[in-house]
This record gives sequence, C-alpha cells and structure tokens, in this order.
Amino acid sequence: NAGVTQTPKFQVLKTGQSMTLQCAQDMNHEYMSWYRQDPGMGLRLIHYSVGAGITDQGEVPNGYNVSRSTTEDFPLRLLSAAPSQTSVYFCASSYGGHSPYEQYFGPGTRLTVT
Amino acid sequence: ILNVEQSPQSLHVQEGDSTNFTCSFPSSNFYALHWYRWETAKSPEALFVMTLNGDEKKKGRISATLNTKEGYSYLYIKGSQPEDSATYLCAWVANFGNEKLTFGTGTRLTIIP
Repeated sequence: NAGVTQTPKFQVLKTGQSMTLQCAQDMNHEYMSWYRQDPGMGLRLIHYSVGAGITDQGEVPNGYNVSRSTTEDFPLRLLSAAPSQTSVYFCASSYGGHSPYEQYFGPGTRLTVT
Repeated sequence: ILNVEQSPQSLHVQEGDSTNFTCSFPSSNFYALHWYRWETAKSPEALFVMTLNGDEKKKGRISATLNTKEGYSYLYIKGSQPEDSATYLCAWVANFGNEKLTFGTGTRLTIIP
C-alpha cells in the first residue's frame, strides 16, 4: 500500500492564481480531510469528507473548495491564491464509521503564495 | 470555539530522564482523544486513540492516560531517548457524529544527549 499520497510536494503561486492539491489513498478509507499547518497554530481543519459524494467545512474553509467523487481521491482547490494561504497542507484519511480510528497523514504540500 | 490546549509548549529533557505533558479538552460531548507523534520534516503518526474514562494505553516506553470527566490526558515517556525528539499532538473528537478532530498546538520535546 502506498498509504496517503499528496502532490505536489512544493508549489509557488502568484497571488490570484488557482491550483489543485491532489490527495489519494489506497486503503479504502471512508473519511478524508485537509489540514493546514502554520507556525504556532497547530493543525487546522479546512474541509473533510465522510464518504464519496459528501463533503463539509472545517474550521478554516474560506478560499478553498473540495469534492469527493471517488473513495480514493480528495482534491483541494485554491480558487484565487492569497499570501495568507502560504502554509503546509496535509491530507489525512481514516476508516471512519462509528468507532474512532487513527488518521493516516500524507507527506504534506508546502505552498508559497507571493 | 472548542479549545484543546497542550502544555508545556516546549520541553527539553536529558536523555534517560522521564517526562510527561498534558492535553486539556472540553469534557462535554466527548467521543475520543487522539495522540500523534510528529517528527520534523515528516507527517504526524498516530500513537493512541482513547475513548474510555480512566483508559490507559502503552506503546513501548510511551503511555497515556485519559480523564474524560475533568477533560485532560497525560502522555508519559519513560527513559527518554534522542529518537523521542518530536512534537506531540493531541486531538479531541466530539460526539457529533462527524469525526472531526480538533488539534492542540502540540508540545515540542527535545531530548538532550
């Protein structure tokens, strides 16, 4: 199993550009989520999905869109990049369901917006 | 805003010493408490997922306890080794049925050889 994969590893964008961060998992996990990590702020939830076709907002959703058309993939779209979106982005997945399962994290995408 | 707080923010411990740190979370609507270990330049990795009040879990030299009534969990490391240097994160899950994790800002542990 590859686990949770993210692409790209690094990205530099200009203000106003759009892009999609890719996330995929091969563990047949129902639950997937996106976090951003900023110094002194810990991990903050952007969007999450409890299954294909279902998404919901987390703590800091503004400026980001997600979709979940398959169980495996959960892309994060930046609509019009802003310097405030400079961060490290982590995708995570877990089995979900009624029991609390540990989350598996991808390697992260470091995004710089100039 | 549902606060999950961790203390201390950072900690330096001599190799061989034991240490512990705290995670505080809302005691109402509790569902689960996660602990993750996060080494520099890597991804967070799960240590424990705890659900029951009074629960104690152990993995090698690392153990954790849970008090859901008062809203805190302790993580203990016995006989610290340089490879224990990492940031330790806790995350609270409420019983709202959506499995969202609310993370604390972490305790950064440095082991001094």
